[in-house]
Amino acid sequence: DSGVTQTPKHLITATGQRVTLRCSPRSGDLSVYWYQQSLDQGLQFLIHYYNGEERAKGNILERFSAQQFPDLHSELNLSSLELGDSALYFCASSGSQYGTDTQYFGPGTRLTVL
Amino acid sequence: KNEVEQSPQNLTAQEGEFITINCSYSVGISALHWLQQHPGGGIVSLFMLSSGKKKHGRLIATINIQEKHSSLHITASHPRDSAVYICAVGWGSNYKLTFGKGTLLTVNP
Repeated sequence: DSGVTQTPKHLITATGQRVTLRCSPRSGDLSVYWYQQSLDQGLQFLIHYYNGEERAKGNILERFSAQQFPDLHSELNLSSLELGDSALYFCASSGSQYGTDTQYFGPGTRLTVL
Repeated sequence: KNEVEQSPQNLTAQEGEFITINCSYSVGISALHWLQQHPGGGIVSLFMLSSGKKKHGRLIATINIQEKHSSLHITASHPRDSAVYICAVGWGSNYKLTFGKGTLLTVNP
């Protein structure tokens, strides 16, 4: 158990809908990272938050947004969903604001868009 | 953009064999991560290294910064080592991780 929790574990929805994925970091970690893992693209970095502020952005679509709240949990919002958004979404946490330390991964949320 | 190449893509071994998985990248990095992903999806961080060599149990990771290359070794492999091993490099001013496509390791008893 990494200490990182993600909810829900599975999510099935329809095209055009909006969903919210939630992540709680390990106790004491201020950084949260979001990743997408799909069969064709593999693992891709989406976004990094540190103590409520956005630190780095990767291949995140404009239809996706994220935020980190004062209690340090983070949410990833996916809107106008398309079939191609079906993937595993992982969050990870670490203590460093620069990302230069071990990241601890949550169990992931499997999103299926029908 | 940093290109990360892993080899081999698939590897089948007999229990007890010595395993080597390779990772090469194209742009200078701050650190390299080795991750393990079992069937069912969970990802575990095995190593993070920026130079030299690290060892944890039967696992050894090495990195050669000049050659832009890292290796993950598993000594005395065991069926429970069967998993996908993923190399990721952290680079750039904002330290974004770029991932390799992974190596699927199957260790037969």
